[in-house]
Amino acid sequence: GESVGLHLPTLSVQEGDNSIINCAYSNSASDYFIWYKQESGKGPQFIIDIRSNMDKRQGQRVTVLLNKTVKHLSLQIAATQPGDSAVYFCAENISGTYKYIFGTGTRLKVLA
Amino acid sequence: DVKVTQSSRYLVKRTGEKVFLECVQDMDHENMFWYRQDPGLGLRLIYFSYDVKMKEKGDIPEGYSVSREKKERFSLILESASTNQTSMYLCASRSQGYEQFFGPGTRLTVL
Repeated sequence: GESVGLHLPTLSVQEGDNSIINCAYSNSASDYFIWYKQESGKGPQFIIDIRSNMDKRQGQRVTVLLNKTVKHLSLQIAATQPGDSAVYFCAENISGTYKYIFGTGTRLKVLA
Repeated sequence: DVKVTQSSRYLVKRTGEKVFLECVQDMDHENMFWYRQDPGLGLRLIYFSYDVKMKEKGDIPEGYSVSREKKERFSLILESASTNQTSMYLCASRSQGYEQFFGPGTRLTVL
């Protein structure tokens, strides 16, 4: 099975509740941010992105918030479902480069 | 939808073997990447290619090489596999925009 998430922080939420997953990013020169979802045994799947000229962006059941003052990114998932159980991690892209810095991730467990 | 495929999901090799990991994308993307993913660490970049026959070393290129002879294909080569190269290997591609699309990953075990 997938061993990537063995030592990750875990967030457990009841089905139907909202989830908030946080990420502190490292580089003030980063101007683009992505949230990925990674299910066991699979590659990362794009969820939502945000550019540094925005502080909020909404998708279907997901919202990303960006606070550049404290270099903080959060992912909010509304009405969490069992299918949302996965590892979630953020990525930052340093402006003008191909370089991405990836967070180590948070495991989301949805309790029935 | 963008599709990134990798040649193997699971691979077991012996120390000293030469290993080829293949990645193909179908969206005519210029940029392709090889990462490795290990427990407790974020994805780490091994190599990056910004066009055919063009490559740049990432953060951890030692023990690896790459080949990009065609735009859609980016290969990662382990010249002489070692046990510390046991890992999950992820290929990604992107266009001139920012979003990266990942393949399903290859879990490599070196015995």
